[in-house]
This record gives sequence, C-alpha cells and structure tokens, in this order.
Amino acid sequence: NAGVTQTPKFRVLKTGQSMTLLCAQDMNHEYMYWYRQDPGMGLRLIHYSVGEGTTAKGEVPDGYNVSRLKKQNFLLGLESAAPSQTSVYFCASSSLGERWNTGELFFGEGSRLTVL
Amino acid sequence: AQKITQTQPGMFVQEKEAVTLDCTYDTSDPSYGLFWYKQPSSGEMIFLIYQGSYDQQNATEGRYSLNFQKARKSANLVISASQLGDSAMYFCAMRPPRYNFNKFYFGSGTKLNVKP
Repeated sequence: NAGVTQTPKFRVLKTGQSMTLLCAQDMNHEYMYWYRQDPGMGLRLIHYSVGEGTTAKGEVPDGYNVSRLKKQNFLLGLESAAPSQTSVYFCASSSLGERWNTGELFFGEGSRLTVL
Repeated sequence: AQKITQTQPGMFVQEKEAVTLDCTYDTSDPSYGLFWYKQPSSGEMIFLIYQGSYDQQNATEGRYSLNFQKARKSANLVISASQLGDSAMYFCAMRPPRYNFNKFYFGSGTKLNVKP
C-alpha cells in the first residue's frame, strides 16, 4: 500500500540552486496538491491540480512551478531556491468522495528542504 | 474568503481524561466538509474524522468525536480517554463547496501533550 510517495525526503540546497520534488500516488486520484508547512502557520497550499495536464495556483505560489504530465505524478519545482523556501513540503491527493466534499486528503510523508 | 482558526497553540491533558480541541471556521457557503488530522512527531499526516455541513449528527470515530455547532461555525474535536500516543499536533481543515472544492484550508494547529 504505497499511497502517496514523495522524493526526496530531505534536501539541502544553496541559494539560487534549482530542484524538483516528485510526488507519486497509486490511488487513481484526480486531485493532487502541494503544501508547505512552517511553524505556527499550519499548511499552506502552493499549487494544485484537478487532473492530468492541469495545474492551478494556491495561496503561496510564488517561486514555485508545477507540472502534472501523468495522472499519478505531480512535480514541484524550485527554479532559484531562496532561504524563505526552507520548509517541510507535503504532497497530497484526494478523490471527490461519495459525496462531493467527503474525500479526505491522503498525504505523503513530507520532504524537508533547507536552503542555505 | 475561507478561514480556519485554532486558538489553542498548545494544550496539556492528563492521561485517561477527555480533551477538546477548538476549531472555528469562516465561510458564507452553506455546504462544506470539515476534517481533523493528527500529525505525530514523526511528521506524517493522519486523517481522523470528517463532518459534512448537512450531516444531522455529530461524527464519531472510536475515541474521536466532532462537536459540530453549525450556527456558531465551530467544529471542535473531542478525544475521550486520552492516551500517551495522542500527543501530537492536530489540524482542523475545511473543504469548500463544489465550485471551489479542490482547496482544503487548514488551521495553524494545536499541539497536544498527554501527561502520564
């Protein structure tokens, strides 16, 4: 039961470097999300996708790009990392649920990113 | 705009006692879903319980129950008979109506410490 898998789990970057976080889900979910978690701020939505080939901005999209070329994968890219992007990143997926609003989020284990 | 407020940054409870974690939300939509998640120190996000805005009865899942007061826009989590393993961060979340149902909104969390 893989569920939602994120890679890498940990990464240290220098300011200005780029990297990509990969999220894969095996539950055939339509919806996928990237959140960042910072102390005292809960989870904030970066970008999300409602299906293959579609993406949309969340609350804090600046400095990030995403792609969803395959239904099961959702990639989060940092083109030029900044110390403010030091955070724990969570990928999540969901279905619509039996009723439209009952599908809970299934989370990956998180990726801890440090930008020096 | 949707908003979730958790006013208790941290709480202590004695083992075997019940505890209530507060959550209020702000929405003008009549239809939405409310969720609670647990995040232990290991970091993963664990889904606990769901309440639909049209559900007539409060949701229960084992030792977890949701005290849903729609008129007050509150969705408090009640944990009965606390256990040491309940020590964790707890997040309240809301899934808005169908036209915007992809965006889950999270509160800032409550850190619960269960004392032996």
